[in-house]
Amino acid sequence: DQQVKQNSPSLSVQEGRISILNCDYTNSMFDYFLWYKKYPAEGPTFLISISSIKDKNEDGRFTVFLNKSAKHLSLHIVPSQPGDSAVYFCAATNRVGNKLVFGAGTILRVKS
Amino acid sequence: EPEVTQTPSHQVTQMGQEVILRCVPISNHLYFYWYRQILGQKVEFLVSFYNNEISEKSEIFDDQFSVERPDGSNFTLKIRSTKLEDSAMYFCASEEGLAWFFGPGTRLTVL
Repeated sequence: DQQVKQNSPSLSVQEGRISILNCDYTNSMFDYFLWYKKYPAEGPTFLISISSIKDKNEDGRFTVFLNKSAKHLSLHIVPSQPGDSAVYFCAATNRVGNKLVFGAGTILRVKS
Repeated sequence: EPEVTQTPSHQVTQMGQEVILRCVPISNHLYFYWYRQILGQKVEFLVSFYNNEISEKSEIFDDQFSVERPDGSNFTLKIRSTKLEDSAMYFCASEEGLAWFFGPGTRLTVL
């Protein structure tokens, strides 16, 4: 049961350009969404989150957009840097103390 | 900055043996979790723990698995009789106020 889907296994972007990573969810009970970045042999590192009462949250080069009606969120990274190359996971939950449900991840490669 | 720590970083064991994976969550957090990631697959929820008891567990978390918070700092995952398919990265996480922090993981290899 794939409640959180990241349909693009990989994305390649030129340094300085925008990276857009997409995520779809099916469970309408989810009300909080997060993006994590993961390097090989390390744990997921929190990047940015958004509550369902918002449609946009921005933190430096990272912006997350939420479209509740489409059950879709996206992460924009601009400008992309080679150090951004990693696996990006979308995750969702519906309350404090509840589990995170992860997508399958998207491998981002930023070429210099 | 506070962080979640895990030991060991890599555990190799023989099939059928018991393993204990250890985690030290962030000290003022109340919710604790174990996740795992089989190579090339998604991060999967195993179990959540609150107020010294399991609050939720997944289908993966069968009778071979158990968790414990033996003291005020450690949070452990025990696999009683490991199987080949238990080989994975195991991540501990702690959460407070909608902020989940993950440890660096333990790579479990079952031979």
